[in-house]
Amino acid sequence: QVTLRESGPALVKPTQTLTLTCTFSGFSLSTSGLGVSWIRQSPGKALEWLALIDWDDDKYYNPSLKPRLTISKDTSKNQVVLTVTNVDPVDAATYYCARTLSTVTTNWFDSWGQGALVTVSS
Amino acid sequence: DIQVTQSPSFVSASVGDTVTITCRAAHGISSWLAWYQQKPGRAPKLLIYDASRLQSGVPSRFSGRGTGMDFTLTISNLQPEDFATYYCQQANSFPLTFGGGTKVEIK
Repeated sequence: QVTLRESGPALVKPTQTLTLTCTFSGFSLSTSGLGVSWIRQSPGKALEWLALIDWDDDKYYNPSLKPRLTISKDTSKNQVVLTVTNVDPVDAATYYCARTLSTVTTNWFDSWGQGALVTVSS
Repeated sequence: DIQVTQSPSFVSASVGDTVTITCRAAHGISSWLAWYQQKPGRAPKLLIYDASRLQSGVPSRFSGRGTGMDFTLTISNLQPEDFATYYCQQANSFPLTFGGGTKVEIK
């Protein structure tokens, strides 16, 4: 059974760095064709894909946020970490990690964590 | 970026109805499109991938069609548990993008 769980601070101050951890089980991030993505959803809004790291340690970022994002993995711990630097109130959202089925032509999200709600306020 | 536009953004329907949601990609994406269902306070759930392939465990009343730029999600014989928000996602090129969502509400 595949499970993912996000963890991190519920509240961050503007200009701080947000660090979120996705801890997963039921699969290995060293398996070809698998990856983990971060996706966020502002209250009442649509979904926004942020970043993907795959089994080969290739990393992909949303260009609109790329300068502020870093994604990394620790395969031995079954964890993926996302950092967002210089946060702003517009970064307040529920952040999801999701297992990504990743090929040359297609990437979709077949299992999701429950989400971590992040508020940005001084 | 390949923008994806969903319509309608809101649909009111009754149990037993058939609902069709449309997703249009700004560029051709072959069959690389997925559909998700999201209920309030819950994470999205994958329904369909590769435009028409049903994810394991998803009821057969959900179906997807399309290729290129135009895609549809059809829910036949709408059930009470189907009232939710649905999103399409283009899976072909980075950045991966989602449609704006379609909320299916009870009439």
